[in-house]
Amino acid sequence: AQTVTQSQPEMSVQEAETVTLSCTYDTSESDYYLFWYKQPPSRQMILVIRQEAYKQQNATENRFSVNFQKAAKSFSLKISDSQLGDAAMYFCAYRSAMHFTYKYIFGTGTRLKVLA
Amino acid sequence: SAVISQKPSRDICQRGTSLTIQCQVDSQVTMMFWYRQQPGQSLTLIATANQGSEATYESGFVIDKFPISRPNLTFSTLTVSNMSPEDSSIYLCSVTALGRYEQYFGPGTRLTVT
Repeated sequence: AQTVTQSQPEMSVQEAETVTLSCTYDTSESDYYLFWYKQPPSRQMILVIRQEAYKQQNATENRFSVNFQKAAKSFSLKISDSQLGDAAMYFCAYRSAMHFTYKYIFGTGTRLKVLA
Repeated sequence: SAVISQKPSRDICQRGTSLTIQCQVDSQVTMMFWYRQQPGQSLTLIATANQGSEATYESGFVIDKFPISRPNLTFSTLTVSNMSPEDSSIYLCSVTALGRYEQYFGPGTRLTVT
């Protein structure tokens, strides 16, 4: 069975600085998808970035980028130029690419605080 | 991405009663899911809502406690039955669109059982 581990329950970053959130996963599959979601306090869960395992190139979305290390089963999220609005819970998630497999496996989350 | 709404956004209920939560999507989607998220915790999948047939429940969740309907491709309901304070949580609906692999989440329903 697949597992997703976020070993940092909480992180802090100074505004305008860069922070990296860690995520590791365990799977025997070769094809899958990985995601980072952001959940601000009392607000909706938002998809931040996604990565297909077959792609070697790391995904980027504006200030958000990932470091995808398939052999190491690592999928970290880097937030550059941190803003106050980045403060949220961040969840890493895994989804198999097998046909008719749609379920996500979520990590336990990392709470990011942004200090002014 | 799909626009997802949930009703109600929050409710306070008495133990022993039931609450039905609605999830509406603005476009046809392939998959609809229901999650529970307890305060400060990660998401736990309750079930996959299947159109026109019985939902597929995860281990630890049963139809008698969490009946789910999905009459069409854009709408689903989750009922939390015979509630107890342990059912106090946020309940989230999520969807996957045709040809896509990512899930999009609704705003959630915050349920408090007293």
